[in-house]
Amino acid sequence: GAVVSQHPSRVICKSGTSVKIECRSLDFQATTMFWYRQFPKQSLMLMATSNEGSKATYEQGVEKDKFLINHASLTLSTLTVTSAHPEDSSFYICSARGGGWRDEQYFGPGTRLTVT
Amino acid sequence: KNEVEQSPQNLTAQEGEFITINCSYSVGISALHWLQQHPGGGIVSLFMLSSGKKKHGRLIATINIQEKHSSLHITASHPRDSAVYICAVILQGGSEKLVFGKGTKLTVNP
Repeated sequence: GAVVSQHPSRVICKSGTSVKIECRSLDFQATTMFWYRQFPKQSLMLMATSNEGSKATYEQGVEKDKFLINHASLTLSTLTVTSAHPEDSSFYICSARGGGWRDEQYFGPGTRLTVT
Repeated sequence: KNEVEQSPQNLTAQEGEFITINCSYSVGISALHWLQQHPGGGIVSLFMLSSGKKKHGRLIATINIQEKHSSLHITASHPRDSAVYICAVILQGGSEKLVFGKGTKLTVNP
């Protein structure tokens, strides 16, 4: 199946710093990428949807100035958590899809962010 | 009430047992995903289906659109099947967003 990678897999940062997480589709062109957040023992929650070359669409309650998403190419999307706080500590997962909704979403392995 | 409900929340089985995980949804959907999340957190898409039945190895997924219900079956379960199984739906109407159930934690003991 298609492969999606995320980097880094784990990151620990200090409060107030910014962290960038990369999501890459390795063997297909991803026209749409999704960013999810998962708190312990909870479901995945969609944060934003990004289409290559256009601005991301954020879900209600997600601060677009805090969670910067860039989808500059068909194989790379980045999520930058700016001025991170301990409450931003979570598991961040991206997924990528090649075409319309009929195409499957392929998930990355996730990034564990801990803000101290 | 959540749009996507899974049952059971937790399931413990002995190796070799037949496993069934259920998913009910209350909205119109275009398709339904079954996902597997291992303890490390990574997610694998097992099936995407919009009607009928799909089979892959020991895994079978069925969906009944009229009854708004899907099941994931695992035959001859094995300890390596231990994971969280998540049902997610794509809402009807052109939305591309997935709406997730809370997951079913499966533990298969040797």
